[in-house]
Order: sequence, then structure tokens, then C-alpha cells
Amino acid sequence: DGGITQSPKYLFRKEGQNVTLSCEQNLNHDAMYWYRQDPGQGLRLIYYSQIVNDFQKGDIAEGYSVSREKKESFPLTVTSAQKNPTAFYLCASSRVGRGGYTFGSGTRLTVV
Amino acid sequence: GQQVMQIPQYQHVQEGEDFTTYCNSSTTLSNIQWYKQRPGGHPVFLIQLVKSGEVKKQKRLTFQFGEAKKNSSLHITATQTTDVGTYFCAGPRQTGANNLFFGTGTRLTVIP
Repeated sequence: DGGITQSPKYLFRKEGQNVTLSCEQNLNHDAMYWYRQDPGQGLRLIYYSQIVNDFQKGDIAEGYSVSREKKESFPLTVTSAQKNPTAFYLCASSRVGRGGYTFGSGTRLTVV
Repeated sequence: GQQVMQIPQYQHVQEGEDFTTYCNSSTTLSNIQWYKQRPGGHPVFLIQLVKSGEVKKQKRLTFQFGEAKKNSSLHITATQTTDVGTYFCAGPRQTGANNLFFGTGTRLTVIP
């Protein structure tokens, strides 16, 4: 079955560490997205990509970085510059310009 | 900047009662999408509305897009415990793009 796989499901980060969240899709979607969700809050866009080797910043890109070397993969790195990284991170994909998003099951990141 | 507000923020209903959530955008939208997120889960795409005044139904759910394409509503008839979750509306940030700005969400609790 086609879908999006995010890993790991839970991640613990020490202060000052960089961590990378994985997102892989086999839906043949060109567009991929990273959103952050804080408890009881809506979704805020971190980065998005509409084509391989190209990506744009969203509303809260500071302290995050991404790459899009393959159509299927859009990993997110949470750097030590992100001051409050504890949140639920959601990856999504869609066709470019239309259609609903398919979301992964998310990664819950906690700073310890 | 663009804002998408939803009301109410929370709603508790007795099982069998109806429920409505309203979505209001500060800008005209080319389309609007609705998502459902179960507690502890990830958002799932429900529907997309494109035309001014459009009404679509999915079993007990009725979705409406306003004439001015700046507001939308989701109505659930005779709620069931399976309807529990947070309902988000989302609109594109730019015309022709599928880069979504999510609303604040309405959290529905259904009391058996």
C-alpha cells in the first residue's frame, strides 16, 4: 500500500544536539512538507519542497534544515539553534498544486 | 499576514446531537480542505471544496464553502463517539499552490 513513513515515532534529544527525522513516501507525489504541532495547537509550516533539489522556508524555518535529494525522501534536521524543539513533527506529501495531503504518523521529539 | 480562524475552539456534545465548526479566512481562498485528527493521531484528509457556494456531503458530514470563498463550515449530524477528534480547515497560501495554511482547529468531544 502507498503511504508515508516517518521514523522514529519517538525521539529524545539532549541539549545542543542535532537530530534528523526521516520521511519517506511511495505515493509518487512531487510535493512534500514538514509541519510542527504543539500540544493543543494547529499545524505550522517549517519547510516545503515541490521538486527534487528545491525547497522553500515556511513560517518557522529557523533552527531547522531539510534536503530533497530524492523524490521519495524529505528528511528534517532539528539543529541546536532551535530553542524549543519539543513538539510533534508531521511530514506530508501531495500532488503539486492540488489535492489533499497524505500525512505520516508523526515523530514526537522531546528535549531531555 | 494570512489568518485562518476556526470557532469554536472546543465543543462537547452528547452523542446524537449535531455539531458545527466554522472556518474564516482573512483572504479569499481558491479552495478549502478539511482534515480530521484523532487524539494521538495524525491529520487525515476529508474533502476539498473549490467552487463558490459549494456543498458536499459524506454520510453524516456536510461541508460548505461560502459564496465569497472566505469561509467554510463542517456540520456533523447525530454525532457518534467515532467522530471524536480535532477538525482543521486549510487553505492554500498562494493561488495555484497547494502549500496549505491550517486553521486553529476545533476539538470535538462526544459524551456517550
